[in-house]
Amino acid sequence: DADVTQTPRNRITKTGKRIMLECSQTKGHDRMYWYRQDPGLGLRLIYYSFDVKDINKGEISDGYSVSRQAQAKFSLSLESAIPNQTALYFCATSEGGQGTGELFFGEGSRLTVL
Amino acid sequence: QKEVEQNSGPLSVPEGAIASLNCTYSDRGSQSFFWYRQYSGKSPELIMFIYSNGDKEDGRFTAQLNKASQYVSLLIRDSQPSDSATYLCAGPHDGYKLIFGSGTRLLVRP
Repeated sequence: DADVTQTPRNRITKTGKRIMLECSQTKGHDRMYWYRQDPGLGLRLIYYSFDVKDINKGEISDGYSVSRQAQAKFSLSLESAIPNQTALYFCATSEGGQGTGELFFGEGSRLTVL
Repeated sequence: QKEVEQNSGPLSVPEGAIASLNCTYSDRGSQSFFWYRQYSGKSPELIMFIYSNGDKEDGRFTAQLNKASQYVSLLIRDSQPSDSATYLCAGPHDGYKLIFGSGTRLLVRP
């Protein structure tokens, strides 16, 4: 089983719908991240959390919200989806403290907003 | 200016050649850099990380960091068709958020 699991892997929805992408991890890492990937734009940071009580905005947080339900779970919500939120979304984790900073990625969630 | 910049490519090299991938960054406080490889439709995977000025070698891969010039590179020796992928450079911003470049697509011709 993957260490970082994202659900759903693929989702097609309509404009205005609420969508939640879920991420769970078994690596025991404190830090969790949500990134978005668009062709030619690389990975852009949406939100990150360094522990259960810590939530921070990234480069492109507008239109998104997150919830850190537990150390192992970090969810991304689109309250009212719009077509330009069509993208590939990655959850990632990393060690805190003296860790290398290496990110461990989930397999991605492909979201299409019609 | 993006915090981490890469040429999008594609960079095309023949099998067996050296592929050179480059990255510049704007945050002078950045102390560490990462190179990730991403195959089409897959998640990124770490290839190398480097903290110190100079070169770091791991098998066919060499990462180079020049903090004075704010420049990071990845050399792939004896390139193989299986190395064809997008290579993402990443560095910390504000000390801890990992920010990625847009990636360079590498094509290794058999």
